[in-house]
Amino acid sequence: TAGITQAPTSQILAAGRSMTLRCTQDMRHNAMYWYRQDLGLGLRLIHYSNTAGTTGKGEVPDGYSVSRANTDDFPLTLASAVPSQTSVYFCASSASGGGMETQYFGPGTRLLVL
Amino acid sequence: GQNIDQPTEMTATEGAIVQINCTYQTSGFNGLFWYQQHAGEAPTFLSYNVLDGLEEKGRFSSFLSRSKGYSYLLLKELQMKDSASYLCAVIENDYKLSFGAGTTVTVRA
Repeated sequence: TAGITQAPTSQILAAGRSMTLRCTQDMRHNAMYWYRQDLGLGLRLIHYSNTAGTTGKGEVPDGYSVSRANTDDFPLTLASAVPSQTSVYFCASSASGGGMETQYFGPGTRLLVL
Repeated sequence: GQNIDQPTEMTATEGAIVQINCTYQTSGFNGLFWYQQHAGEAPTFLSYNVLDGLEEKGRFSSFLSRSKGYSYLLLKELQMKDSASYLCAVIENDYKLSFGAGTTVTVRA
């Protein structure tokens, strides 16, 4: 079972360019999440989706957008990248968005914005 | 808002016991998770506490005191493979997870 996959594994991006980070899960989970992880700050929620067709803003949504056209996919788009968006990005999913359920994380995308 | 505190680093010897403390001041409380994260890898689930008391799962145990805003993760019979970061995360009123910065545990032979 693949679980959650993310692509690309890593990327170097010029400032001002756009990029979409892909996330796919095969567990038929309703809820999906995007986090960024920075040294000393821990994981911070960017955007989430409790079910297909709905999305919500997390703690640090500025500069990012998401869509949830179906259950399996939850892409994260940086419209115009800035160096402060250099980070490791993790996608996660849970059976529902109730919060009390375990979240399962993808392997992460390491992004360097120059 | 949230404030979740855990020590930055801890070092222990193989075979020993280590206790990782987590204190929190958050907007509501609906449960607390501990995750393990090896360097360069994704976080993986260790434990979940919603009621006061101790939850034991093999070599790992997690404790919660809601009145004190306090939890700890206890790792017994440490092995080299336990060298990792341990993340404390609280479910707040909006049912979203808020994470602490993590505690890096180094196990020495």
